[in-house]
Amino acid sequence: DTGVSQDPRHKITKRGQNVTFRCDPISEHNRLYWYRQTLGQGPEFLTYFQNEAQLEKSRLLSDRFSAERPKGSFSTLEIQRTEQGDSAMYLCASSLTSGFWRAEAFFGQGTRLTVV
Amino acid sequence: SQQGEEDPQALSIQEGENATMNCSYKTSINNLQWYRQNSGRGLVHLILIRSNEREKHSGRLRVTLDTSKKSSSLLITASRAADTASYFCATDQDAGGTSYGKLTFGQGTILTVHP
Repeated sequence: DTGVSQDPRHKITKRGQNVTFRCDPISEHNRLYWYRQTLGQGPEFLTYFQNEAQLEKSRLLSDRFSAERPKGSFSTLEIQRTEQGDSAMYLCASSLTSGFWRAEAFFGQGTRLTVV
Repeated sequence: SQQGEEDPQALSIQEGENATMNCSYKTSINNLQWYRQNSGRGLVHLILIRSNEREKHSGRLRVTLDTSKKSSSLLITASRAADTASYFCATDQDAGGTSYGKLTFGQGTILTVHP
C-alpha cells in the first residue's frame, strides 16, 4: 500500500504524559500536513512542511506541540504534557505540489488520541 | 477558523436517489476539494476542482463551482447505502504568489442512504 500511513491508530494516555505520532507520506510527495479533528467538526490545520522545512504553524499549535520532518521523509508530531483538551483525531496528509495549480491532498487514517 | 459552510448539515435519502450537498466559502481560492469520511476513519479524496473550472465529473460524482457566488455543490447520483458518510468541502486559498496548499474545511454534511 503506497498511501499515507499513520502510527499508532489509537493512543490512550494519562494527562501530563508526552505522546508522539508518526506519519509516513506518499513517497514522492513534497508537502506534508498535520490536521486535528474533534467530534462533529471538520479537520483544522495545524502545520505543514515543504520537504524538511516547516513553513507554517497554526495558532492552534501551542508551545506543547512540536513537529518535525527530518530529511523530508516521515514526520513526527509530539505533544508534551498532554491535556484533556488535546483529545482528538490527528490527521496527516501529503501532496505533490509545484507551480500555480496545487494538487489534491491525500490523508492517512489518523491517530485517535484520548487523554484521561 | 472554518471557511467552508456545508449545507445541509444532515441529509437522509433512499437508495437510488440523488444527493446534493452545497458548500459556501469566503475568500478567493486556488481550488476546492471534496472529501468523504466514514465514521471514525480518515478522509478519502473525492474530487478537486480548480478556480478556473466550473464543472467536473468523476463516476457518479458531479461537482460545480461558482466563484462569483463563492459556492460549490457536490451531486452524488444513484446513491447507494455504501455512500453513507460525512462529506466535507475544503478550500485551498489563493494566496497570490505564495503557494500555501493548506486546506480549510467546513463542518461537513452527514449523508445517510437507506437501503
